[in-house]
Amino acid sequence: DVKVTQSSRYLVKRTGEKVFLECVQDMDHENMFWYRQDPGLGLRLIYFSYDVKMKEKGDIPEGYSVSREKKERFSLILESASTNQTSMYLCASRSGTVATNEKLFFGSGTQLSVL
Amino acid sequence: GNSVTQMEGPVTLSEEAFLTINCTYTATGYPSLFWYVQYPGEGLQLLLKATKADDKGSNKGFEATYRKETTSFHLEKGSVQVSDSAVYFCAPLDSGGSYIPTFGRGTSLIVHP
Repeated sequence: DVKVTQSSRYLVKRTGEKVFLECVQDMDHENMFWYRQDPGLGLRLIYFSYDVKMKEKGDIPEGYSVSREKKERFSLILESASTNQTSMYLCASRSGTVATNEKLFFGSGTQLSVL
Repeated sequence: GNSVTQMEGPVTLSEEAFLTINCTYTATGYPSLFWYVQYPGEGLQLLLKATKADDKGSNKGFEATYRKETTSFHLEKGSVQVSDSAVYFCAPLDSGGSYIPTFGRGTSLIVHP
């Protein structure tokens, strides 16, 4: 089975801190995604990556950046955390090229609280 | 791009009741259609999918039929169980465009014994 592992289940940070959320997948998937999940808003795409060192902005990239130095790892960075970034963050991966309708595999999520 | 509308929850049912969760979408192309499920404390996982008109996806007793004429992909189950309590997400994928899935807001299902 594909495993997508997010480094922390719960994280508490202070306003202004730089925050790193890590995601690792073990199935050599090309595509990786970061979503945030908020009550009543569903999942919103922050950034995605089609391959190593590639990144594309999603629907809500402001205040975030990403890094994909190795194929298996996709990191989400909050440059200066703010309270409105308190949310559940979900990482996902998918096999195939850019044009694929394969399913996404999700991690269990990181609940981030910014105080 | 795509957009998707799901019925608002929570949907509360007794065990063995019939379930329908409505989903309609707009798409510029010919999307593939997915339902994902999120059990408490977990990430999302694929429940079923359909890739062309009139296809029926099915899994774990759940079914959904790709209705191109009504741009709908309603999720149904004949007899729900307590273990089906979860949040369900409809997710059209823009095939021929960005190939990025768009997720609905999710519908919470609560099944009582």
